[in-house]
Amino acid sequence: DGGITQSPKYLFRKEGQNVTLSCEQNLNHDAMYWYRQDPGQGLRLIYYSQIVNDFQKGDIAEGYSVSREKKESFPLTVTSAQKNPTAFYLCASRPGLESYEQYFGPGTRLTVT
Amino acid sequence: DQQVKQNSPSLSVQEGRISILNCDYTNSMFDYFLWYKKYPAEGPTFLISISSIKDKNEDGRFTVFLNKSAKHLSLHIVPSQPGDSAVYFCAASARGTGANNLFFGTGTRLTVIP
Repeated sequence: DGGITQSPKYLFRKEGQNVTLSCEQNLNHDAMYWYRQDPGQGLRLIYYSQIVNDFQKGDIAEGYSVSREKKESFPLTVTSAQKNPTAFYLCASRPGLESYEQYFGPGTRLTVT
Repeated sequence: DQQVKQNSPSLSVQEGRISILNCDYTNSMFDYFLWYKKYPAEGPTFLISISSIKDKNEDGRFTVFLNKSAKHLSLHIVPSQPGDSAVYFCAASARGTGANNLFFGTGTRLTVIP
């Protein structure tokens, strides 16, 4: 089955700890994205990557870091510098530069206390 | 600054009737528009899209209308079914601005009453 997987579904961390969220896709898509969703808000772009070993900051990159060492994988690290890390995190991918549609994973709910 | 706006946070419709979800945008460079449907604790799923060269696109019960002069688009669902109850996000993109990134609205929660 082709798709995007995010793990785990729910994640709990103590304040001050870094945490890495996994995103894997077997769709052979070039571009990958990380979004954050908060209650009553739309999806806000954290980071995106168009090709391996390259990534760009989105609108709310502060306190986050990413890597794109493999085409299939785009992990997101939520660092202790992120002031409000509790949120629903969504990973997405897009087939190629000429396409617009993004395909989303099931999301990870991160709770930091 | 929110470039894509969905001014109605929620909408309730009787089963079998038409649901109309609205979306406004401010950036005249947007040339492609999409609607996504999202259930709680799940990722959004792509529903339907429209290019700026068209003013209507239809797919089964779903039709999207685009009014470029008003910078407005709408999603019509006919007939509405209880399974359509979800949050609907409007998104827009401008070719050539940051890898076709999508700009999302804040969503409209549709409730279809049986």
